[in-house]
Amino acid sequence: KAGVTQTPRYLIKTRGQQVTLSCSPISGHRSVSWYQQTPGQGLQFLFEYFSETQRNKGNFPGRFSGRQFSNSRSEMNVSTLELGDSALYLCASSLTAPNEKLFFGSGTQLSVL
Amino acid sequence: SQQGEEDPQALSIQEGENATMNCSYKTSINNLQWYRQNSGRGLVHLILIRSNEREKHSGRLRVTLDTSKKSSSLLITASRAADTASYFCATNSNSGYALNFGKGTSLLVTP
Repeated sequence: KAGVTQTPRYLIKTRGQQVTLSCSPISGHRSVSWYQQTPGQGLQFLFEYFSETQRNKGNFPGRFSGRQFSNSRSEMNVSTLELGDSALYLCASSLTAPNEKLFFGSGTQLSVL
Repeated sequence: SQQGEEDPQALSIQEGENATMNCSYKTSINNLQWYRQNSGRGLVHLILIRSNEREKHSGRLRVTLDTSKKSSSLLITASRAADTASYFCATNSNSGYALNFGKGTSLLVTP
């Protein structure tokens, strides 16, 4: 089975731009979670989707949004980028719920200049 | 929000030694998990221990859970240079739909 695939691996943007990150979960996994990782804040939960529905959202501004498609693939979007959005964005999938074992992708390293 | 807090923040040992990392958390849990992350990569699940379990083993890993003290420990025996990584504990959120991660213990194993 292929693992969790995140694209792109690296991204460089400038302040004010927007960005879309993509995540393909493991086949058969219906829950997809997104995390932001920075050296200062560690891993911060962004949101979780299951069957195209957002079940939980972390404490991030509305500039951060996401969605899940019928094939369980997920995207997250960050609009009006700020320098502080520079981070490693990690996607993780699980069969039904993220309180069980999570499988992580390699992440997208976003740099905002 | 981060519920788990790992201790120590950094640990440096030599190959062959044992490495022990601790995790404390604040609220009741269904389970506690440990993950490993190599620099700049995704996390890899190591072990899950449920709230009704006290100890669990997986290869060179041994995890204990003390729900009365709201703490867990991860022991890596006979460490290898390849064990160099950051280790995170994770607990479920109240909603059950998110994991809360600590800031991790950075382990360096020198040959």
